[in-house]
Amino acid sequence: DTGVSQDPRHKITKRGQNVTFRCDPISEHNRLYWYRQTLGQGPEFLTYFQNEAQLEKSRLLSDRFSAERPKGSFSTLEIQRTEQGDSAMYLCASSLTNDQPQHFGDGTRLSIL
Amino acid sequence: AQSVAQPEDQVNVAEGNPLTVKCTYSVSGNPYLFWYVQYPNRGLQFLLKYITGDNLVKGSYGFEAEFNKSQTSFHLKKPSALVSDSALYFCAVRVGSKSTFGDGTTLTVKP
Repeated sequence: DTGVSQDPRHKITKRGQNVTFRCDPISEHNRLYWYRQTLGQGPEFLTYFQNEAQLEKSRLLSDRFSAERPKGSFSTLEIQRTEQGDSAMYLCASSLTNDQPQHFGDGTRLSIL
Repeated sequence: AQSVAQPEDQVNVAEGNPLTVKCTYSVSGNPYLFWYVQYPNRGLQFLLKYITGDNLVKGSYGFEAEFNKSQTSFHLKKPSALVSDSALYFCAVRVGSKSTFGDGTTLTVKP
């Protein structure tokens, strides 16, 4: 399977801890997106990369959140000093161009104790 | 600002009957429109898209959607529903690189 993969699938941590998620996009896709999804809602845009450049960040992305895509391939999303409200599914997607559909990974479900 | 509305949280249909899942949007400019489906604990899967051209677009698994510019709608349809179509459906609008998703409609198809 050469789809988008995310690791880990589940993360349980205590409030105040730092967590890091990884996303491996489809190899030829230069566009990579991070979203957050909570129960009963659609995905909310967090940030977007074109190759290694982070071109757009949502206001939702507080200074505790940081994302990187150092070589234009895989990406990481780090949340520092986690809070209860960070509990959500974090989805990664990739696409080749803006008019092509996004291909989603199965997400990382974060639970804050 | 762009927004997407899916006015029905839940749609229930009997197997074999036609189904419609509604979507309206608000955006500046000409958007790209998409429908995705999500199964429990999985990411979203692409169903179909409208970029330009014919207002009726056909997609995966027998689904189709009709773009209506005057009503700013992009309703998802299927002539004959299957029990296996039961899932959560999302409409999305994209302008440039940014996508905005509706809050989803849960489709339940009963045998």
